[in-house]
Amino acid sequence: EDQVTQSPEALRLQEGESSSLNCSYTVSGLRGLFWYRQDPGKGPEFLFTLYSAGEEKEKERLKATLTKKESFLHITAPKPEDSATYLCAVPFPGRSTLGRLYFGRGTQLTVWP
Amino acid sequence: DTGVSQNPRHKITKRGQNVTFRCDPISEHNRLYWYRQTLGQGPEFLTYFQNEAQLEKSRLLSDRFSAERPKGSFSTLEIQRTEQGDSAMYLCASSLVGTDEQYFGPGTRLTVT
Repeated sequence: EDQVTQSPEALRLQEGESSSLNCSYTVSGLRGLFWYRQDPGKGPEFLFTLYSAGEEKEKERLKATLTKKESFLHITAPKPEDSATYLCAVPFPGRSTLGRLYFGRGTQLTVWP
Repeated sequence: DTGVSQNPRHKITKRGQNVTFRCDPISEHNRLYWYRQTLGQGPEFLTYFQNEAQLEKSRLLSDRFSAERPKGSFSTLEIQRTEQGDSAMYLCASSLVGTDEQYFGPGTRLTVT
């Protein structure tokens, strides 16, 4: 059973058209949720960590929020340079340390001018 | 550049050959992780080290795979008797004990022909 499910798989937006990406998780006792951005052929780039329901973090046009069941990555007035795959990840449950992360498959975002 | 570095960036090998990849983490980071990523999927955890100790290994890490981190600095990932199914991007990440964020390198793209 997937621990992390991201939707949609792909999203095309016109420049300036705001939208949200979803990350739902099934792990119990969540000890953090991570958002990353990945450009083609490159490693993931860390964006945010969220720890508790109600928490929000912002960076430029991105805002990440967390509830007890899911996280949203809101993109406000996106630009073409925001085009990338956005990944979310959670730590494996039951581990004493935050070692391995379980990643979703990502949402491939394309922003066209 | 003070980020995670990986070498080589690309490797093409024939089935049955052995390959070795290197990862140099961010200098003060004492945790180092290896992940594997195939097209359209999120990174999958392989193993991680705290200093020179290998603390956790995934079932994905078959006996053809071995990882080392001598002296707790750089790490190597070796794949013996490569198979076509080993073709993937191999990602290395590092973090500092006491923090949760993992910072990724650019990856090594392996193609097994």
